[in-house]
Amino acid sequence: AQTVTQSQPEMSVQEAETVTLSCTYDTSESDYYLFWYKQPPSRQMILVIRQEAYKQQNATENRFSVNFQKAAKSFSLKISDSQLGDAAMYFCANSTGNQFYFGTGTSLTVIP
Amino acid sequence: DVKVTQSSRYLVKRTGEKVFLECVQDMDHENMFWYRQDPGLGLRLIYFSYDVKMKEKGDIPEGYSVSREKKERFSLILESASTNQTSMYLCASSFPSGAFTGELFFGEGSRLTVL
Repeated sequence: AQTVTQSQPEMSVQEAETVTLSCTYDTSESDYYLFWYKQPPSRQMILVIRQEAYKQQNATENRFSVNFQKAAKSFSLKISDSQLGDAAMYFCANSTGNQFYFGTGTSLTVIP
Repeated sequence: DVKVTQSSRYLVKRTGEKVFLECVQDMDHENMFWYRQDPGLGLRLIYFSYDVKMKEKGDIPEGYSVSREKKERFSLILESASTNQTSMYLCASSFPSGAFTGELFFGEGSRLTVL
C-alpha cells in the first residue's frame, strides 16, 4: 500500500518568517503527482501546490514552494513570508491513477 | 470555478438512524470520492466512484454504502449510524487520471455527530 507520512503534527511560525513542512511518501509507481492541500478553519480543502513526479524542477506558487527529492521520496513545503491567513491544517498527498493517498496533516499556527 | 456542494454542514443523529450525506459537483467530473477525516488519522477513503452506477470500496467501507445514479451526485449512506461514525465527512471530485492534473476538488465537509 502507498503511504504518505507527515512527521510534524503541529508547527508554528512567526508572521513574516519562513516555515518548512515535511512529507515523505512511499510508492512503487513511476508516474504520480504530489500535492499540498490546505484546510483553513472553515474546513474546505484547497490545493496549494502540485508537483508532477517526472518534472525535476521544483514547483513554486507565489510564497509557496516545494523541495522535491524523488530518490529520497521527500516532498517538503516551504512557506515564505508567512501570513496570518496561512494558519491551517496542511495535508500532503500522493496521487497515482485515480487514487489519492493523504498524510495525517500538520497544523500550522502563525504567531502575530 | 469548480463547485462541490455537500448538503449538510452539521448533522446530529441517533444511534441506529439511517443517514444520507449528499454531494453534488458542477464540473462534469467522472470521479467522485467520500473521505472520512479524523484528528491524527488524516483522510481515509470510504468509497470511490469513477462513473455513474460504478463504485469501488476504499480503505474503510464497513458500515457505509454509496449511490451514484447521476454523474453529478454521489451519496454516502450510513444504514444504521453508530457512535464510532461520528466524524467529518468530505466529498471530492476530479477528472480521471490522464486528464488535466488529477487534482481533487473538495466540498466544505459534513460534520456528523451520532448520539
